[in-house]
Amino acid sequence: DGGITQSPKYLFRKEGQNVTLSCEQNLNHDAMYWYRQDPGQGLRLIYYSQIVNDFQKGDIAEGYSVSREKKESFPLTVTSAQKNPTAFYLCASSWTGGDTEAFFGQGTRLTVV
Amino acid sequence: KNQVEQSPQSLIILEGKNCTLQCNYTVSPFSNLRWYKQDTGRGPVSLTIMTFSENTKSNGRYTATLDADTKQSSLHITASQLSDSASYICVVRGSNYQLIWGAGTKLIIKP
Repeated sequence: DGGITQSPKYLFRKEGQNVTLSCEQNLNHDAMYWYRQDPGQGLRLIYYSQIVNDFQKGDIAEGYSVSREKKESFPLTVTSAQKNPTAFYLCASSWTGGDTEAFFGQGTRLTVV
Repeated sequence: KNQVEQSPQSLIILEGKNCTLQCNYTVSPFSNLRWYKQDTGRGPVSLTIMTFSENTKSNGRYTATLDADTKQSSLHITASQLSDSASYICVVRGSNYQLIWGAGTKLIIKP
């Protein structure tokens, strides 16, 4: 059953803590992405990776970190430096190239308590 | 500044009626435009892609149009169903991996 899986679906974080969101894909895609979605706004790119062991900052990378040690996995860590982390986080993957479709996971809703 | 603006912000229609969602963009250079459907609490799913040379493309009850001269796209939904209730997002690809996302139109279908 091919797809992209995010976990957990819901996550609660205390202020000052780091949390890691998981993203795994078995579509054999080279590119993976992390987006943040806030109510009434478009998706904003946090980080993306086109190849293993390489990743690039997106538009709002401050307070976040990623790793790409395996092709299938692209975890996102929300650090205590991110001042407003409550949001819906979406992971996506795609083939590299200009006209490729991004396939999304089900999302993780992070809430700071 | 590269931007994608969608209208209306939200829309309520009765089941069985048609509706049209709008997307205006200022992204340059333009590569392609996609419409995504996003159910509440889920990830977006692609409905259709429009390239520079395409004016109209249909996917079942969904028909997308593109006017590259005026930089406008529309998504027309025919004979709406309750399952069409979702957010519809327009995203324009510029150079390389640059994707500019609209804020979406929230569509509610009432029985």
